[in-house]
Amino acid sequence: DAKTTQPPSMDCAEGRAANLPCNHSTISGNEYVYWYRQIHSQGPQYIIHGLKNNETNEMASLIITEDRKSSTLILPHATLRDTAVYYCIVRGAHSGGGADGLTFGKGTHLIIQP
Amino acid sequence: EAQVTQNPRYLITVTGKKLTVTCSQNMNHEYMSWYRQDPGLGLRQIYYSMNVEVTDKGDVPEGYKVSRKEKRNFPLILESPSPNQTSLYFCASRRQAEYEQYFGPGTRLTVT
Repeated sequence: DAKTTQPPSMDCAEGRAANLPCNHSTISGNEYVYWYRQIHSQGPQYIIHGLKNNETNEMASLIITEDRKSSTLILPHATLRDTAVYYCIVRGAHSGGGADGLTFGKGTHLIIQP
Repeated sequence: EAQVTQNPRYLITVTGKKLTVTCSQNMNHEYMSWYRQDPGLGLRQIYYSMNVEVTDKGDVPEGYKVSRKEKRNFPLILESPSPNQTSLYFCASRRQAEYEQYFGPGTRLTVT
């Protein structure tokens, strides 16, 4: 699996867009970019994933560069409850089974300021 | 409500005393797995199961056992716990070919 690099921490004002970067320069053609978050020792929560195209759901948007070597997770209107550690994970597509131990690195600790 | 539940949420035990942490999901997911989370080491997969009666080792299986007799349940068994198994444990599930994993709330285990 490709390794990822994220800043250790970021601040964002409540109500503003939070933009979390992730570098994955060794990503291969069939690997997806996933984002999860973990709010203080709770179970990680899936946010979004993508392969090449930008993706949007009710939680966030994912922007992947054309060369796929980096991506940005965007929380459009951050609230205090978005304070969490955000993990960017690169992983091959599921083949239907097998080990899929997601490798959670250190992530980015996003702190939303009131 | 779709969810993964774990019990107990907190457990303090002594070395060598067998224990079981239960995990149950109500989403009819085929795939379930166990992770442990330790400071500085991130989440590491212990065991996983692709379906009933099908289990396999993850990255750190030593000292643990699992079983999958029913689709909804995936208990984690520590036959003889040791202090190095003190950790935060998460159970997770997903549909076989989907990307989104649902995690339980975690079980904080302390072995003295």
